[in-house]
Amino acid sequence: AQKITQTQPGMFVQEKEAVTLDCTYDTSDPSYGLFWYKQPSSGEMIFLIYQGSYDQQNATEGRYSLNFQKARKSANLVISASQLGDSAMYFCAMRGNGNNRLAFGKGNQVVVIP
Amino acid sequence: GAVVSQHPSRVICKSGTSVKIECRSLDFQATTMFWYRQFPKQSLMLMATSNEGSKATYEQGVEKDKFLINHASLTLSTLTVTSAHPEDSSFYICSASEGQYGEKLFFGSGTQLSVL
Repeated sequence: AQKITQTQPGMFVQEKEAVTLDCTYDTSDPSYGLFWYKQPSSGEMIFLIYQGSYDQQNATEGRYSLNFQKARKSANLVISASQLGDSAMYFCAMRGNGNNRLAFGKGNQVVVIP
Repeated sequence: GAVVSQHPSRVICKSGTSVKIECRSLDFQATTMFWYRQFPKQSLMLMATSNEGSKATYEQGVEKDKFLINHASLTLSTLTVTSAHPEDSSFYICSASEGQYGEKLFFGSGTQLSVL
């Protein structure tokens, strides 16, 4: 079974500052994928970044980067230069070996303040 | 990027009626789609995996006769909530990927179902 843990309380972030969202996971699959999604108040799930368990380098997508520490089973999301539009819920998710079923964490609420 | 369209975005219905939600992949073929349910301020919970041309695979605790899934083509999956009750009120959202192990899983915009 796969388990994703996001335990941080809601966060207030100053505009233009960086913010790190924590995510730890547990799985027995030798190969897996880790995702981060953003869910604004409108409800849609917006794909941000993906990290494969065998990827040698940490994933980056624009202002988003993933701090992947495999031995510690953590996949923290770093958002650089926060913008007001970054205010949303952020979900970490994991895909196990051999399928695209996602297990989600409970999410982190981020509010960016000017 | 790939786009997944979900319709309707919001539906209000009377208790006992059935509601159909559509999920379409607009610019790619999706052999597999996924249906999730999300209660307010909670995470997404996978309900079922929709496979084109075959029966859906339901997660434990999800009533297959209650939540009917049809994946008739490579671009369309439907979820029908049958004989809806107020406890079925929730946010339903689908996802699809390009290929079975596509790195990018794209989500629809979700459907807010309110059963009166």
